[in-house]
Amino acid sequence: SQQGEEDPQALSIQEGENATMNCSYKTSINNLQWYRQNSGRGLVHLILIRSNEREKHSGRLRVTLDTSKKSSSLLITASRAADTASYFCATDAKQGAQKLVFGQGTRLTINP
Amino acid sequence: EPEVTQTPSHQVTQMGQEVILRCVPISNHLYFYWYRQILGQKVEFLVSFYNNEISEKSEIFDDQFSVERPDGSNFTLKIRSTKLEDSAMYFCASSGERGANVLTFGAGSRLTVL
Repeated sequence: SQQGEEDPQALSIQEGENATMNCSYKTSINNLQWYRQNSGRGLVHLILIRSNEREKHSGRLRVTLDTSKKSSSLLITASRAADTASYFCATDAKQGAQKLVFGQGTRLTINP
Repeated sequence: EPEVTQTPSHQVTQMGQEVILRCVPISNHLYFYWYRQILGQKVEFLVSFYNNEISEKSEIFDDQFSVERPDGSNFTLKIRSTKLEDSAMYFCASSGERGANVLTFGAGSRLTVL
């Protein structure tokens, strides 16, 4: 079954640095999404990239998608303490299933 | 901004008891979901619901689980006889369209089974 797997599992950087998180998946997808989860809270959608797109930007976020390698990366530039959270990639099946399959997540800590 | 609301925020129950978790999805959304997250682990899909019926369910969603949309606004998850391993955060989500299913999640209901 398809599955998003993020790496690293945990990342700790200094405020102002860039943070890069990676996600790999196993099967064909329609699109790939990134979500953020603050501790003990629900997930919040950040950005969606379609299978025919290679790169997408939203503010300080940059997402890439390589369907040949079945991988995606999320780059957060100029990190802030408020970016501290867990970040999950999520994929949906090519053949139209509505569910999203989430990865294990990357726990990002921004040190002031 | 529209949001998905969930109640209760935290429920403690004894093993074997029935639990109902409630959700009010975004009003014009058509697709509804329950996910769960055991502490420190990944977010796992339980069930999706569309047009008043289950559209997909996972292996986790066995006969002990059921969902209902009783009145056109609430979306409930019932666990008939809770087990210790049902302790988790349960998230309701909704989405408005097929094909680019961006989910809006609620804040979650923490279930603790003793």
